[in-house]
Amino acid sequence: DAGVIQSPRHEVTEMGQEVTLRCKPISGHNSLFWYRQTMMRGLELLIYFNNNVPIDDSGMPEDRFSAKMPNASFSTLKIQPSEPRDSAVYFCASSFRRGTYEQYFGPGTRLTVT
Amino acid sequence: AQSVTQLGSHVSVSEGALVLLRCNYSSSVPPYLFWYVQYPNQGLQLLLKYTSAATLVKGINGFEAEFKKSETSFHLTKPSAHMSDAAEYFCAVSGAGTASKLTFGTGTRLQVTL
Repeated sequence: DAGVIQSPRHEVTEMGQEVTLRCKPISGHNSLFWYRQTMMRGLELLIYFNNNVPIDDSGMPEDRFSAKMPNASFSTLKIQPSEPRDSAVYFCASSFRRGTYEQYFGPGTRLTVT
Repeated sequence: AQSVTQLGSHVSVSEGALVLLRCNYSSSVPPYLFWYVQYPNQGLQLLLKYTSAATLVKGINGFEAEFKKSETSFHLTKPSAHMSDAAEYFCAVSGAGTASKLTFGTGTRLQVTL
């Protein structure tokens, strides 16, 4: 299995621009999670989906952030407009909703907003 | 509700010495417990998990953890540290009825010195 795939791996953009991060979960997994990691705030859960349905988006920092999961094999996290404080590493993880819930993480997207 | 406390944000050991990373949890349901490792510029990788079977769990790279219900602990150990063990380690908890969400600790950075 290829594992969780994220793209791009690095993104540098200017303040005010739209940023779209992409994630392909492990085939057969039915839960998907978006995290943000910074030195100051550590690892934060932004939103998660079960069976493509958003379950909890309480971690989404502002309305500038939105996430979608149009099908079981693809999800996006969009920031519009981006701000320098959004600079972070964004991780996508997936798991199988039955069983013991261990999550498998992608390699992350390092976002820099200048 | 569930929570995890990792004691010590930084731990330093000499190469060949015992590694002990502490994790205490709180859970209103029987917990599933996990340790993840994050190497620099990488995503989180599952190290080991406890899922209510054996209380002593063996993971990758010679690590193991023991579930102690009376102490609500799940400490991670390795008898002999290697330079390649230098990384950040996260403890996480989940459980039946938590809708597959993991609650992570704040992480412990392990430094291994010569």
